[in-house]
Amino acid sequence: DTEVTQTPKHLVMGMTNKKSLKCEQHMGHRAMYWYKQKAKKPPELMFVYSYEKLSINESVPSRFSPECPNSSLLNLHLHALQPEDSALYLCASSQGPLRDTGTNTEAFFGQGTRLTVV
Amino acid sequence: AQSVSQHNHHVILSEAASLELGCNYSYGGTVNLFWYVQYPGQHLQLLLKYFSGDPLVKGIKGFEAEFIKSKFSFNLRKPSVQWSDTAEYFCAVNLKAAGNKLTFGGGTRVLVKP
Repeated sequence: DTEVTQTPKHLVMGMTNKKSLKCEQHMGHRAMYWYKQKAKKPPELMFVYSYEKLSINESVPSRFSPECPNSSLLNLHLHALQPEDSALYLCASSQGPLRDTGTNTEAFFGQGTRLTVV
Repeated sequence: AQSVSQHNHHVILSEAASLELGCNYSYGGTVNLFWYVQYPGQHLQLLLKYFSGDPLVKGIKGFEAEFIKSKFSFNLRKPSVQWSDTAEYFCAVNLKAAGNKLTFGGGTRVLVKP
């Protein structure tokens, strides 16, 4: 199984709503990521979890709150978003940090959640 | 900070033409290099990767890339494209010193005309 599964595929939410994006992998990977991709732009890193601990936060606003309940799951909690936060949110996983594994840091991506904030 | 540059934003080709997409990165430390493809409406898929060893790496669907350390480059090539190669292509770099931070280039949108 080399899949990263994201739910939901599409989400429309109001600016006062609270919602969560979910991501799951069963490859035994110990690093998981959230990326944001706007139309016609490359993915931009938001967060990295390594061994279930937050290791990188790319100065993401606090209205985005990541959570890693266990090694297979990654959530992104959303609250009080703005219309400009509308984007494709991608989850990815890899075997582990380069400094730990030494070589293989190939990232596997999910299909993403297309988020629209109204 | 590490950065990744892709030279072309848009490329338009006819079927059977050769394709070369440029990618340069800014950091001289130990890096892992990747090319990802995103077909219309689909998720990012890995085309090929370079970790170490032979600088000429072969990937899926007839793609290959060459790592030239002295030029900080990792250009993607395909000798003869097909209409189904229409997609967006992203170069990505994982810098050892930054842990597991995969940084993407700006992407190149490739359109192959039948």
